[in-house]
Amino acid sequence: AQSVTQLGSHVSVSEGALVLLRCNYSSSVPPYLFWYVQYPNQGLQLLLKYTTGATLVKGINGFEAEFKKSETSFHLTKPSAHMSDAAEYFCAGGSARQLTFGSGTQLTVLP
Amino acid sequence: DAGVIQSPRHEVTEMGQEVTLRCKPISGHNSLFWYRQTMMRGLELLIYFNNNVPIDDSGMPEDRFSAKMPNASFSTLKIQPSEPRDSAVYFCASSLASGGRLSYEQYFGPGTRLTVT
Repeated sequence: AQSVTQLGSHVSVSEGALVLLRCNYSSSVPPYLFWYVQYPNQGLQLLLKYTTGATLVKGINGFEAEFKKSETSFHLTKPSAHMSDAAEYFCAGGSARQLTFGSGTQLTVLP
Repeated sequence: DAGVIQSPRHEVTEMGQEVTLRCKPISGHNSLFWYRQTMMRGLELLIYFNNNVPIDDSGMPEDRFSAKMPNASFSTLKIQPSEPRDSAVYFCASSLASGGRLSYEQYFGPGTRLTVT
């Protein structure tokens, strides 16, 4: 069964610093992987997705993620954090018939 | 496009009462999903529909929960009778998915915050 693990329920970075949110998945077949962002009192919004092809995926708001099959990872990065990036981030993964969300990582950006 | 529309945004009810949550998916989307989000359990997929037909309801917690999709533009999630442990934020999402696959981008509504006292 597909499972998605997000390491660190809370991450704090300074404004302008690198953002790194970790996600690992388990799967016996090539997965579909997503990163979603949730702002307070709102629904989830897709940041980026990996299905096939290029392993480095660029998304909205300057975020990107790299699919590393050997490490079963799909970590989310952004070179320079902005105050507006403060939100909860969810990694999700699965196959055509199963989709699992990670437990979420709350990102705090310090001035 | 107006996005996924959910109503009500907030619902407070007493234990034992019936609760009905409503969702209007994005026009043209053929898959609809109901999720529940709590601090303890995170985001859980309850049920999803493809072309108005329920595909997988294995996430529905118990018989008190039921969902319908009478047409492509409307779905309901009903809880009867409601219990305090049902308190959560319920999200509806839709996607344009080939064959009902889950590998496509989902668009989420703003959610309904349900409080059962």
